[in-house]
Amino acid sequence: QLQLHGSGPGLVKPSETLSLTCTVSGGSMNIDNIYWGWIRQSPGEGLQWLGAVFHDGSAYYNPSLKSRVVMAVDTSRNQFSLKLNSLTAADTSTYFCARHAGYGDPYLNYFSFYMDVWGEGTTVTVSS
Amino acid sequence: EVVLTQAPGTLSLSPGQRATLSCRASQDITSRYLAWYQQRVGQAPRLLIHGVSNRATGIPDRFSGGGSGTDFTLTISRLEPEDFAVYYCQQHHISLSFGGGTKVEIK
Repeated sequence: QLQLHGSGPGLVKPSETLSLTCTVSGGSMNIDNIYWGWIRQSPGEGLQWLGAVFHDGSAYYNPSLKSRVVMAVDTSRNQFSLKLNSLTAADTSTYFCARHAGYGDPYLNYFSFYMDVWGEGTTVTVSS
Repeated sequence: EVVLTQAPGTLSLSPGQRATLSCRASQDITSRYLAWYQQRVGQAPRLLIHGVSNRATGIPDRFSGGGSGTDFTLTISRLEPEDFAVYYCQQHHISLSFGGGTKVEIK
């Protein structure tokens, strides 16, 4: 049974960079039409998609956050990661890692995903 | 950007009743690119429906999805105690976005 487990600091300072890692167990990361990504949820709010990455490193980002986000994959460790820079209090959220099913074309920058397996979430507070 | 509007914001029903949740898109997202998720308190979202009407693995058949174009629905035929939760729709035809959610609460 595929499981995802996110990890990272619970508290980060404004202007710093958040680094989160998601470890995949119970399945392979190298599958066609499967991507690996992140979604966040501010306290009491809805869901915001951040982006996703393919096992070859091709990445797709939410246009509203694209300048601040970098995602990467390390299939040898069965992990993928999120870096979000220039943090403010507005980035305080629970961050979910999730397996994405769908399709991406890096040349056209086109993507189409839904999330079929989710990790439990990592709560991150941005505060000095 | 495609904006998804979910209605109602809160649905108050009793166990055994039928729940009908609406998701309206600001532009045509065809009949393929819509998913529904359930989020119970303190848990991660769980995929219920993809491709408008396809139940995810392990999802009971009391959950059904339908619609096309800009108007979509999630129906729970008979509410079980574990179905009281927040439900989100998500489109992936033009970039990716979520609706604001509908809370199904016990009346």
